Amino acid sequence: QAQLVQSGAEVKKPGASVKVSCKASGYTFTNYYIYWVRQAPGQGLEWMGIINPSGGYTTYAQKLQGRVTMTRDTSMSTVYMDLRSLRFDDTAVYYCARGPETDTSGSAIDYWGQGTLVTVSS
Amino acid sequence: QSALTQPASVSGSPGQSITISCTGTSSDVGGYNYVSWYQQHPGKAPKLMIYDVRKRPSGVSNRFSGSKSGNTASLTISGLQAEDEADYYCSSYTSSSDFVVFGGGTKLTVL
Repeated sequence: QAQLVQSGAEVKKPGASVKVSCKASGYTFTNYYIYWVRQAPGQGLEWMGIINPSGGYTTYAQKLQGRVTMTRDTSMSTVYMDLRSLRFDDTAVYYCARGPETDTSGSAIDYWGQGTLVTVSS
Repeated sequence: QSALTQPASVSGSPGQSITISCTGTSSDVGGYNYVSWYQQHPGKAPKLMIYDVRKRPSGVSNRFSGSKSGNTASLTISGLQAEDEADYYCSSYTSSSDFVVFGGGTKLTVL
């Protein structure tokens, strides 16, 4: 059974950076894409980007280009999401989620992390 | 504004059927059979209910079904139960610069 476990809640000031981790277990880490998805309070889901844990290749949402970086540590089966120049409207629950196998097509998410609340407050 | 358009809310009585629509464009819903549907209860992570337009993951009730016509995908829930009350989101692969797009979500109320 796949599992994604994320780091704990964060409170940051505007302009700061936050780094959220996501440790995968129960499957071969390098065989599946990892997405990051966020959800502002009372709002819908927003796709932030995707990382291929095998080669580290990434694609980011156009809206977040220049502020977000996704990386991975294959030895730790962990992916990281770094968001810089935080604004009040970055306050959200941030989810890592497992996407399709890297050698297949599709876009569905079958496993989600528990979510990490990032609060941006002065 | 979300890339995919869903109704804000739908409702139905126990035992009835409801359908939630998800409208996109030929660059996403209409162009690929990679539409997924997620159920989210308050305070919980989303759960995959349908993928690749009409496929059900193991463990998901066959009361949930998906379909697509042109640029609009649909999720139908038959035999409504109280536990189905939740928010539902559609998503699709997109050929735009973003890899995936979500709908704005639909709140299902079981009367």
